[in-house]
Amino acid sequence: GAVVSQHPSWVICKSGTSVKIECRSLDFQATTMFWYRQFPKQSLMLMATSNEGSKATYEQGVEKDKFLINHASLTLSTLTVTSAHPEDSSFYICSAPPSRSQGAFFGQGTRLTVV
Amino acid sequence: GENVEQHPSTLSVQEGDSAVIKCTYSDSASNYFPWYKQELGKRPQLIIDIRSNVGEKKDQRIAVTLNKTAKHFSLHITETQPEDSAVYFCAAPPRGYSGGGADGLTFGKGTHLIIQP
Repeated sequence: GAVVSQHPSWVICKSGTSVKIECRSLDFQATTMFWYRQFPKQSLMLMATSNEGSKATYEQGVEKDKFLINHASLTLSTLTVTSAHPEDSSFYICSAPPSRSQGAFFGQGTRLTVV
Repeated sequence: GENVEQHPSTLSVQEGDSAVIKCTYSDSASNYFPWYKQELGKRPQLIIDIRSNVGEKKDQRIAVTLNKTAKHFSLHITETQPEDSAVYFCAAPPRGYSGGGADGLTFGKGTHLIIQP
């Protein structure tokens, strides 16, 4: 199946700093990638859709200036959490969209802790 | 957009018994329904999915049933084992899915399945 690789798997940063999370499709080209956020003991919530070569689409309530998404190539999408605050601490996970023959595959996820 | 409701939030069953988790969705145009298993601290893993042209799909101990008229689908796990303990999520696309994937999934709130030895 499709392989999605996400890095880093965990990161601790200070309040006010920025953190970049990378999501790579290893054996396929992805014109679209999805970014989700999952708080402890909660479900996955779609944050934004990353589109190769164009602007990302953000879900209602997600600040686009805080969560910067770049999809510069068909194999790489990045999410940058800018001016991080403790409330941004969460599990961030990317996924490639489902295809006709297989379901959506997720990256390993990134556990972000802002101190 | 799509609204996905999942029940129960917690399910405890004896090892060897069956477990059933149910989800309802709101968008009648949705035609793809995956189920994911997530262990603590790990990524969700697709365990089974169903498309709207069938009413049931089975893979060994796992099965999914779909009732498009009632807009609900269910996950069935038979002969449960300790390694089945995890959080299970259902999901649905926000509108009719026809391949290629233009929209992210809407997830249910999850069911914490506990298998009692």
